[in-house]
Amino acid sequence: SQQGEEDPQALSIQEGENATMNCSYKTSINNLQWYRQNSGRGLVHLILIRSNEREKHSGRLRVTLDTSKKSSSLLITASRAADTASYFCATDANNAGNMLTFGGGTRLMVKP
Amino acid sequence: KAGVTQTPRYLIKTRGQQVTLSCSPISGHRSVSWYQQTPGQGLQFLFEYFSETQRNKGNFPGRFSGRQFSNSRSEMNVSTLELGDSALYLCASRQAGGNTGELFFGEGSRLTVL
Repeated sequence: SQQGEEDPQALSIQEGENATMNCSYKTSINNLQWYRQNSGRGLVHLILIRSNEREKHSGRLRVTLDTSKKSSSLLITASRAADTASYFCATDANNAGNMLTFGGGTRLMVKP
Repeated sequence: KAGVTQTPRYLIKTRGQQVTLSCSPISGHRSVSWYQQTPGQGLQFLFEYFSETQRNKGNFPGRFSGRQFSNSRSEMNVSTLELGDSALYLCASRQAGGNTGELFFGEGSRLTVL
């Protein structure tokens, strides 16, 4: 079963706009990660935020984490057509061994 | 440094057959995990190996098995294939044996069961 639920399931924006994706999860976590997947290919790690962090930045990416609400958001600023992909959150839950539990993903389309 | 390599990339099998997928992790990475990705169930954890030992297993039937060799390369096997086993099988490696950090994924093996 999936730990995380992502919202929205699909998002279509124009180039230059910002894209925000949300992730909710169910159990206590050690960290939360975001991955990107181009159609039918492997996942690429974007950013990791630890449970004691509230916000993290990496280039055009900004991730927030609210452990009281068990939720996270990924913001991509000034989006580009090349950002078109599926984005997944993944949680490393306490007492889950060394496994990540992935959300259902958000399909982002950035129109040129 | 070469990335995670999975072979074969594509394969077609028929129901009842068995299949073996291979994964070569990044050099120096000792942990290898396998995930199944389907449109209906999304990404689901299959198992994780570290130093040739299975450390964790997802909720899959016994038809799904795996192993890891002394060079950290890993294989997974699915026996008595069912139509529902059609999926993208992703292998991921990471360096350390501690808490989960960044996973490095291969491009996947796309299995179609007819």
